[in-house]
Amino acid sequence: EAQVTQNPRYLITVTGKKLTVTCSQNMNHEYMSWYRQDPGLGLRQIYYSMNVEVTDKGDVPEGYKVSRKEKRNFPLILESPSPNQTSLYFCASSHRGGNTEAFFGQGTRLTVV
Amino acid sequence: KQEVTQIPAALSVPEGENLVLNCSFTDSAIYNLQWFRQDPGKGLTSLLLIQSSQREQTSGRLNASLDKSSGRSTLYIAASQPGDSATYLCTPDEYGNKLVFGAGTILRVKS
Repeated sequence: EAQVTQNPRYLITVTGKKLTVTCSQNMNHEYMSWYRQDPGLGLRQIYYSMNVEVTDKGDVPEGYKVSRKEKRNFPLILESPSPNQTSLYFCASSHRGGNTEAFFGQGTRLTVV
Repeated sequence: KQEVTQIPAALSVPEGENLVLNCSFTDSAIYNLQWFRQDPGKGLTSLLLIQSSQREQTSGRLNASLDKSSGRSTLYIAASQPGDSATYLCTPDEYGNKLVFGAGTILRVKS
């Protein structure tokens, strides 16, 4: 089954404790991205990757890091989480080129206290 | 900067009604437009993808149209069912792969 898998689904952590949210896709997609969803603000792109070892900032990259060492994986790293990073996070993937369907993971609900 | 507006923001209808959800976007230079549904606390499910060269796309009871020049798309849902209750998101894709989201339309279909 074609899917994007995120882990964990739910996470509560404390301010400053480094964490990683994993994302994996099984569709051989070149393009992967991370979004956060907040009430009243909709989904906003954090980072994206056009292919292995190629990443770039989205609209709200502050406080986040990413890496793309393998085509299937695109982890999101919060080096020092803060309460304003409490949000619902989504990973997405698609083929490059812009005329293909985007697939989203089930989301990770992160709470930073 | 691309901005997406969806009207109405919320809609509550009895089962069986035909619905129209509207989407407008400010920059018509898009690669495609995708409609998603999102169930509470869950991920996004793709409903329809309309490429920039197309004017409409159909899947079952869903039909989406695209008027790129005027920056508008419409999602038509025929014979609505309670299972259609969800948030519907219209997403133009600019630069190829760059999705821009609006606030969505929250739909509730009452049985």
